[in-house]
Amino acid sequence: QVQLVESGGGVVQPGRSLRLSCAASGITFSTFSIHWVRQAPGKGLEWVAVISYDGSNTYYADSVKGRFTISRDNSKNTLYLQMNSLRVEDTAVYYCARHRRYCTGGGSCSPYFDYWGQGTLVTVSS
Amino acid sequence: SSELTQDPAVSVALGQTVRITCQGDSLRGYYASWYQQKPGQAPVLVIYGKTNRPSGIPDRFSASSSGNTASLTITGAQAEDEADYYCYSRDSSDNHYVFGTGTKVTVL
Repeated sequence: QVQLVESGGGVVQPGRSLRLSCAASGITFSTFSIHWVRQAPGKGLEWVAVISYDGSNTYYADSVKGRFTISRDNSKNTLYLQMNSLRVEDTAVYYCARHRRYCTGGGSCSPYFDYWGQGTLVTVSS
Repeated sequence: SSELTQDPAVSVALGQTVRITCQGDSLRGYYASWYQQKPGQAPVLVIYGKTNRPSGIPDRFSASSSGNTASLTITGAQAEDEADYYCYSRDSSDNHYVFGTGTKVTVL
């Protein structure tokens, strides 16, 4: 069955760095775009970043652009999120999720996530 | 970046029908997908596309859309439907994505 397993979370001081991983199994990892989504304690879901199936394209939310880097190693079926210059407001559970598209005959494609990991908690605190 | 706005909370009597709405300019061009999230758990996809349900999602969940508004309807709500629900779609600026603000559904 499909599994996405995040790891690498923990407690880190403001300004420091952390790298998250998301290990995939049960899917042909190299054929799908994958996203990072986060959720601050008691708050809603926030889209963070996406990487294309081959790693050639990456996009980021304004809140993390320039500080976070999404990457992947298709030979290891693993997604990464390098988080630098961490802030208190980056404290959240971080999820990886598989990107899918629903396309109409008119050519419009609407995104959705069909599989999610269980999340890994990042706490930024002094 | 655009926003997707949802009512913060709704309640529904057991067995009755509840509709959750999601409003945003980006919904004029794209269907929203909908996610159910229970405390301490990862989100679960309940609806994608026009009104498609993944395997295992009960048919009491359905969706519709009109203009800049997407709706998720639970017909005959059950106790296990009590959860937070989020819509999701592309941002109006391409290659960015956005979640709705979330709706807490309470089943009375």
